[in-house]
Amino acid sequence: EAQVTQNPRYLITVTGKKLTVTCSQNMNHEYMSWYRQDPGLGLRQIYYSMNVEVTDKGDVPEGYKVSRKEKRNFPLILESPSPNQTSLYFCASWAGAGGYTFGSGTRLTVV
Amino acid sequence: AQSVTQPDIHITVSEGASLELRCNYSYGATPYLFWYVQSPGQGLQLLLKYFSGDTLVQGIKGFEAEFKRSQSSFNLRKPSVHWSDAAEYFCAVGAPEYGNKLVFGAGTILRVKS
Repeated sequence: EAQVTQNPRYLITVTGKKLTVTCSQNMNHEYMSWYRQDPGLGLRQIYYSMNVEVTDKGDVPEGYKVSRKEKRNFPLILESPSPNQTSLYFCASWAGAGGYTFGSGTRLTVV
Repeated sequence: AQSVTQPDIHITVSEGASLELRCNYSYGATPYLFWYVQSPGQGLQLLLKYFSGDTLVQGIKGFEAEFKRSQSSFNLRKPSVHWSDAAEYFCAVGAPEYGNKLVFGAGTILRVKS
């Protein structure tokens, strides 16, 4: 089954403790992206990657890092999380004319 | 840059009634347009998309949307709503010069009353 897999689904952490949210897709897509969803704001792009070793900032990149060492994986790294990064995060890969395929989301709470 | 407006934050309709969710975009040429649905606690599922051609597009679950260039709109419609349609709906716009980036509206929460 074609899918984007994110882990974990839920995460509660403390301010300043580094964390990584993993994302993997099995569709051989070149383009992958991370979005965060906040009430009243919809989804906003954090980072994207057009292919292996090619990443770039989206609209809200501050406080985040990404890497793309393999085509299938695109982890999101929060080196020093802060409470304003409490959000619902989605990884997505671009299926061409099919638009995005989204992961199930990661609900992050930073206390 | 492209932008999307969904004017209605919440909409409540009776089961069996018709539905129209509004979406307006800002972009100079013809964009790519999408509607996604998000059920509580779930990810986003693609309902339908418009890239070019016929301006009335059919999607899954009985939804359709019409692209109107003159009004910069891409409204989502369903003739008869079912209780299972209660969810949050997102309109999104993309454009060739921005690669595969989609800009999303703030979402419309649909409530269905029996």
